[in-house]
Amino acid sequence: DAGVTQSPTHLIKTRGQQVTLRCSPKSGHDTVSWYQQALGQGPQFIFQYYEEEERQRGNFPDRFSGHQFPNYSSELNVNALLLGDSALYLCASSLGQINSPLHFGNGTRLTVT
Amino acid sequence: DAKTTQPPSMDCAEGRAANLPCNHSTISGNEYVYWYRQIHSQGPQYIIHGLKNNETNEMASLIITEDRKSSTLILPHATLRDTAVYYCIVFTGGATNKLIFGTGTLLAVQP
Repeated sequence: DAGVTQSPTHLIKTRGQQVTLRCSPKSGHDTVSWYQQALGQGPQFIFQYYEEEERQRGNFPDRFSGHQFPNYSSELNVNALLLGDSALYLCASSLGQINSPLHFGNGTRLTVT
Repeated sequence: DAKTTQPPSMDCAEGRAANLPCNHSTISGNEYVYWYRQIHSQGPQYIIHGLKNNETNEMASLIITEDRKSSTLILPHATLRDTAVYYCIVFTGGATNKLIFGTGTLLAVQP
């Protein structure tokens, strides 16, 4: 049973460019959340998708957008990259119900130069 | 802001039990206590969660005080591979909730 998979594992982009990160949830899960983790800090919530809609959003600018597909997979898009966007981007999946643990992938390491 | 308080670091001898404390004095009645750990360069790994009863699984035990204001994660026989940052989080789960991570406890298991 595959867990949460993310691609790519590493990515280097230049300031001002756009990036798309991808996530496949754990089998049977219908909810996907994205987190940003800067070096030395805990993960910060970006947004959550359920039934192909953004259900909740953290304190991130509109440059951060996402999408969930009918097969529950998801993409995170970041436009107009800044140096401060360099971080580990984590995807987590769960069932859309109370008392359902989130399961995380190993993330995409994004470096903006 | 995170609703939990944890010590920034702890040491434990290999083979001994590791007891990681967490304070969550403002926990709501419908919030569960979740524990995750993060080994360097990996995503957070779910360990265990509970509401008010003590819980045990193949990884750890969770002891929640009767007033639910604090809890302890117990790794019964720590190994070097248990060295990680451990996060205690209060969470209701569901489709419209989010995990709020604090700074966690860096557990260093010593040989």
